[in-house]
Amino acid sequence: GAGVSQSPRYKVAKRGQDVALRCDPISGHVSLFWYQQALGQGPEFLTYFQNEAQLDKSGLPSDRFFAERPEGSVSTLKIQRTQQEDSAVYLCASSLTLTRYEQFFGPGTRLTVL
Amino acid sequence: QKEVEQNSGPLSVPEGAIASLNCTYSDRGSQSFFWYRQYSGKSPELIMSIYSNGDKEDGRFTAQLNKASQYVSLLIRDSQPSDSATYLCAVNVVSGTYKYIFGTGTRLKVLA
Repeated sequence: GAGVSQSPRYKVAKRGQDVALRCDPISGHVSLFWYQQALGQGPEFLTYFQNEAQLDKSGLPSDRFFAERPEGSVSTLKIQRTQQEDSAVYLCASSLTLTRYEQFFGPGTRLTVL
Repeated sequence: QKEVEQNSGPLSVPEGAIASLNCTYSDRGSQSFFWYRQYSGKSPELIMSIYSNGDKEDGRFTAQLNKASQYVSLLIRDSQPSDSATYLCAVNVVSGTYKYIFGTGTRLKVLA
């Protein structure tokens, strides 16, 4: 079946612009996770959802970052007033449930802020 | 102290040898452990999950878990040049959340 998809794959933004990154999880997967990965580093946790409920957003670096999953399927990560330090790859992952922990990653969105 | 630690490498092994990758973690309550492979410019790909002490084998890969010593390792037998990648260890965090913490990864080079 189809895996996790993300769009856009690449995004270039001018400093101060708002961006929206989309994640479409594997069909039927209840849990959805967002990560930020800087070059040469492991993925850093941002937030996760169980269905439409955002259960943990402790990793969001500032109040400029906002995530939603209104219908429990597609999720959007929004970054307001982008800064150069926001440049990274943003990864989305989904898992069947929270108790079935294997997470499967999408291809990521590479964000470059100029 | 970082919650999940890995040697960044690079770890170089000749083709056909066994590659041994190690990971230590700090949360004694962690129950779930994962190894991901990440090729340059690609997203992480799940290789193995392990939940109980001991060994778990899948093809050329063996994951080993020792909760008392708080380490998890991955062995790759008969290493191939196509195994050259960064290997990420991920551990779940307990205490009311289900998030994973990833290590920084170990870069593996298999020399033909």
